[in-house]
Amino acid sequence: KQEVTQIPAALSVPEGENLVLNCSFTDSAIYNLQWFRQDPGKGLTSLLLIQSSQREQTSGRLNASLDKSSGRSTLYIAASQPGDSATYLCAVKDTGFQKLVFGTGTRLLVSP
Amino acid sequence: SAVISQKPSRDICQRGTSLTIQCQVDSQVTMMFWYRQQPGQSLTLIATANQGSEATYESGFVIDKFPISRPNLTFSTLTVSNMSPEDSSIYLCSVEDIGTQAFFGQGTRLTVV
Repeated sequence: KQEVTQIPAALSVPEGENLVLNCSFTDSAIYNLQWFRQDPGKGLTSLLLIQSSQREQTSGRLNASLDKSSGRSTLYIAASQPGDSATYLCAVKDTGFQKLVFGTGTRLLVSP
Repeated sequence: SAVISQKPSRDICQRGTSLTIQCQVDSQVTMMFWYRQQPGQSLTLIATANQGSEATYESGFVIDKFPISRPNLTFSTLTVSNMSPEDSSIYLCSVEDIGTQAFFGQGTRLTVV
C-alpha cells in the first residue's frame, strides 16, 4: 500500500528565503507525482505535475524534482513571498490503481 | 485546464439529515472523484464517480452513506446521508483525464451540529 510522507509538517520563514519541501513515497512504481497548494478552508490548486519519466518541472519560482528510485520528490520555492503562505500537498498516482494518494502536507508561513 | 464549480461552498446541517453536493465541470472529463478532508488531515478518496454506472467506493466508504450520481461527463453529485458530527469535513470534487493533472473544486465545508 502506497504511503506518502511530507517533511517538515510546518515551516516558518522570513520573506525572501529559498526553501525546500520534501515528499517521500514507499512504492516507486508510480505513474506521476503532483504538487498542490491549499489555502485555509479552500480547495486545491495544482502547481506542478511530474510524469514518472521526468526528473523535474519548473513553473515560475517553483521547481519540483523527482527521484523515483529513492522514492523522493522536492519542491523548491525561490525568493519566498507572504503570498506563498499555504499548505503544500504532494500526491502520487500509482501505476496499478491510478488513484492519487496524498501526503500529510507542509504548512508554510512566510512572514514579511 | 478544467474549471470546476462545486456547490454549496459551505453548510451547517442538523444531525440525521442529508446534504447533496454538486460538482459541475466546464468540459467533458473521463474521471471524476470525491474526496474527504477531515479537520487537520490530508485528503482521503471516497469514491470514483463512473458515468452511467455505480460509483467505485474505497475501503471504509459505502454507498448507503455516500450515494453518488454521475449522469453525464460533466456533472456529479455526492450525498452525505444521515449525518453525524463525525461527518464534519471538507468534501472535494476532482476531475482528470488519462495522463493529465488533477483539478479540484473549491470544496464544500460541512459542519454537522
